[in-house]
Amino acid sequence: AQSVTQLDSHVSVSEGTPVLLRCNYSSSYSPSLFWYVQHPNKGLQLLLKYTSAATLVKGINGFEAEFKKSETSFHLTKPSAHMSDAAEYFCVVSGYGMRFGAGTRLTVKP
Amino acid sequence: DTGVSQDPRHKITKRGQNVTFRCDPISEHNRLYWYRQTLGQGPEFLTYFQNEAQLEKSRLLSDRFSAERPKGSFSTLEIQRTEQGDSAMYLCASSTGQFEGGYTFGSGTRLTVV
Repeated sequence: AQSVTQLDSHVSVSEGTPVLLRCNYSSSYSPSLFWYVQHPNKGLQLLLKYTSAATLVKGINGFEAEFKKSETSFHLTKPSAHMSDAAEYFCVVSGYGMRFGAGTRLTVKP
Repeated sequence: DTGVSQDPRHKITKRGQNVTFRCDPISEHNRLYWYRQTLGQGPEFLTYFQNEAQLEKSRLLSDRFSAERPKGSFSTLEIQRTEQGDSAMYLCASSTGQFEGGYTFGSGTRLTVV
């Protein structure tokens, strides 16, 4: 069975500093992995996806994630946080029905 | 608008009443999914359809819950004899059926059981 674990429930950064949101996955086969973002009172939006091509995946709004099979990780990063990045972020593994992590709330301080 | 539509956006109901939600997926998507999201949690998978066939149901989907997709287009999720624990955001998503594609989510239906 596939699952993901988001290692931090809350991350706080200052505007202009790097963002790191951590995700470990468990899968019995080579997974497809995704990051979604959910802004308050908004729907879920796909940030990026890994589907066994390049291990470094670039997404929207300057985010990227690196698939590391040896570490079973798929961490989300951004070089410089913006106030508009404040949201809930979900790491997701595919299967018959995508399985979501519990989420990481990102706070960006001015 | 070619996105996933859900109706209603909000529903307040008394405990014990039945409620039904509707989801209209992207027209060319043959897969449709229902999720439930409670405050502070990630979405939890409930069930999914490929065309009109319901292919998987989570153990979270008790016998009070039923979902249909009669013509392989829109879907309905019904909750009978609602309980306060059913209060949540119910999300619908659709996809082309390729795991690699990711899903397109609707804005959800927020259910409050009082």
